[in-house]
Amino acid sequence: GQSLEQPSEVTAVEGAIVQINCTYQTSGFYGLSWYQQHDGGAPTFLSYNGLDGLEETGRFSSFLSRSDSYGYLLLQELQMKDSASYFCAVRVGRDDKIIFGKGTRLHILP
Amino acid sequence: DGGITQSPKYLFRKEGQNVTLSCEQNLNHDAMYWYRQDPGQGLRLIYYSQIVNDFQKGDIAEGYSVSREKKESFPLTVTSAQKNPTAFYLCASSIPGAFDYGYTFGSGTRLTVV
Repeated sequence: GQSLEQPSEVTAVEGAIVQINCTYQTSGFYGLSWYQQHDGGAPTFLSYNGLDGLEETGRFSSFLSRSDSYGYLLLQELQMKDSASYFCAVRVGRDDKIIFGKGTRLHILP
Repeated sequence: DGGITQSPKYLFRKEGQNVTLSCEQNLNHDAMYWYRQDPGQGLRLIYYSQIVNDFQKGDIAEGYSVSREKKESFPLTVTSAQKNPTAFYLCASSIPGAFDYGYTFGSGTRLTVV
């Protein structure tokens, strides 16, 4: 079977840094993506890691270690608008199909 | 502006009825997908299509059907065989191979069985 594990909830303070971890066990692995979803809204794409290492996009960074089947999303200088659910997703084959984790709800305190 | 349009936003279905959810995109993307989202379950893949006139089952295809007669359109029919259809349905599209750009999602259709 396929499984992606991420914490169900994380709480952090405005202005701080938070890391959301994702571990996966899948039949194949071709890359790890992260998506953000506000309540009732559509998921939006944040990042993709096809190779090991750190990818940085503004306040957000994503890391992948294929040998550890592990990745994380790092959010810096947290803002209230970052309160949302964050999903890791794995590309499991040579096509574009991806499977999603159950999501991490990020709560930000003022 | 390019994007994905899902309609209707809210849909109510009676027991035993088939309903069709619309998904239209003007992004010129070849690949399209349907996901179902339940509270605490994340997104689960129902069907996907890499090219016109071709589609594949995802992890939870039972009780659903799709068609891909046009590049822009990928409607999903929820049949009476789907025993628990109440959920939030999301349509997405992508450029095959452009993994750094990810999926573009529509705003979703919330289906409720009454």
